[in-house]
Amino acid sequence: DGGITQSPKYLFRKEGQNVTLSCEQNLNHDAMYWYRQDPGQGLRLIYYSQIVNDFQKGDIAEGYSVSREKKESFPLTVTSAQKNPTAFYLCASSDPRTGGSYEQYFGPGTRLTVT
Amino acid sequence: EDKVVQSPLSLVVHEGDTVTLNCSYEVTNFRSLLWYKQEKKAPTFLFMLTSSGIEKKSGRLSSILDKKELFSILNITATQTGDSAIYLCAVGWGGATNKLIFGTGTLLAVQP
Repeated sequence: DGGITQSPKYLFRKEGQNVTLSCEQNLNHDAMYWYRQDPGQGLRLIYYSQIVNDFQKGDIAEGYSVSREKKESFPLTVTSAQKNPTAFYLCASSDPRTGGSYEQYFGPGTRLTVT
Repeated sequence: EDKVVQSPLSLVVHEGDTVTLNCSYEVTNFRSLLWYKQEKKAPTFLFMLTSSGIEKKSGRLSSILDKKELFSILNITATQTGDSAIYLCAVGWGGATNKLIFGTGTLLAVQP
């Protein structure tokens, strides 16, 4: 069964702590993305990666970091520098080789609460 | 600045009603427009539109794109409570990045 998994589903942290959200895909997709979703807002792009060992900042990258050491994995670290980290985080992947298809496949998300 | 605007922001209807959700965009190097349905967690893909005037249909859902007026609509006929969700519109723009710009979404609640 191909798909994207994110863990954990819910995460609680104290302010000032870094936390890493996991994202794994077995779709053999080259591109992976991290989004943040807040109530009443759409998805905002944090980071994306087109290929292993390469990634680019999205629209709201401040306070976040990523790595892409393997094709299947794209973990996101929420650092203590992120001012409002409480949000729903979604990971997605796509296959840019498929003739202009922009369809992205999403994981189930991680709800992060920082107090 | 590129943007995607959805309206209404929220909508409450009764089962059996027909609804129309709107998505307008101002995006340079437009390539495609996508609709997703989000129930609680992962958005699921509904349609991708690239050409004007060609309706895409799946059961009670249909969508059409107008590239001259820069908008798309998503129609849902004979709504059911299972249609309750956030409907997201996203625009894919030029370049090799396959990036999407999302609207804020329309929250649809279908009451029995």
